[in-house]
Amino acid sequence: DQQVKQNSPSLSVQEGRISILNCDYTNSMFDYFLWYKKYPAEGPTFLISISSIKDKNEDGRFTVFLNKSAKHLSLHIVPSQPGDSAVYFCAASAGGGSQGNLIFGKGTKLSVKP
Amino acid sequence: DAGVIQSPRHEVTEMGQEVTLRCKPISGHNSLFWYRQTMMRGLELLIYFNNNVPIDDSGMPEDRFSAKMPNASFSTLKIQPSEPRDSAVYFCASSLGGLDGYTFGSGTRLTVV
Repeated sequence: DQQVKQNSPSLSVQEGRISILNCDYTNSMFDYFLWYKKYPAEGPTFLISISSIKDKNEDGRFTVFLNKSAKHLSLHIVPSQPGDSAVYFCAASAGGGSQGNLIFGKGTKLSVKP
Repeated sequence: DAGVIQSPRHEVTEMGQEVTLRCKPISGHNSLFWYRQTMMRGLELLIYFNNNVPIDDSGMPEDRFSAKMPNASFSTLKIQPSEPRDSAVYFCASSLGGLDGYTFGSGTRLTVV
C-alpha cells in the first residue's frame, strides 16, 4: 500500500520550459514533505522541502506547492535545464521536520531535451 | 568530508551465501538509515539507528536480514542466507537532526544469482 504515489514514471520536457512533477499522498498525518534528486550510480540528494503549515516554498528555479485538502504536492522547475535530467523522488514524514521515517514515492524520471 | 561511504559498490553472490554491506556515516551525524531500492517498491526504509541504537526495524523484510551499528562510525547490513529476490540497490544515509540533513551514500548494487 503506497502512502506516497508518483503516478508518472517519466516526463520529457524541452530545455527552457517548465517541468512539473506531481506527488500524491494518503496519510493525513504527514506534515513534512521533501523532494530528492537522484543521478545514475549516485545516492539521492536533498532538493527542497515544505512544511504542512505552508503551501509554497521556493528556492531558485525550484518551487514546491502543497495542497493539503487534495493531499497533493508538486515540484516546478523553471526554466528546465539538461542538467536537471534525473530521477526525482517525493518523500513525506509525520515527524514534523525532525528525525523520523521518510516514506518515498517510486520516483519520476525527468528528461530535459536540449 | 567524504560523505557517506558504502562498500562494496557492487556485489554479485550466489543464492544461499551470506552478504554483508557496510556503511560509514558522516562524522558527527547521530542517525543512520538503511534503505532498499527496487523497481517494484521504490525506496523503502529497512531500519534506522539513533545514537547507535536501533529505533525502528519494522521495514526489515525477514529474519534473514540483520543490521548492527557497533559504534558511531560504522554500520553493517547482513543478509543470511541471500535469495534472488534480495537483488536491489541498498542505500545508507546519515543525518544530524532534521529531515533536510539526510545524506545518502552512493549505494551498493546487490545481485543474487
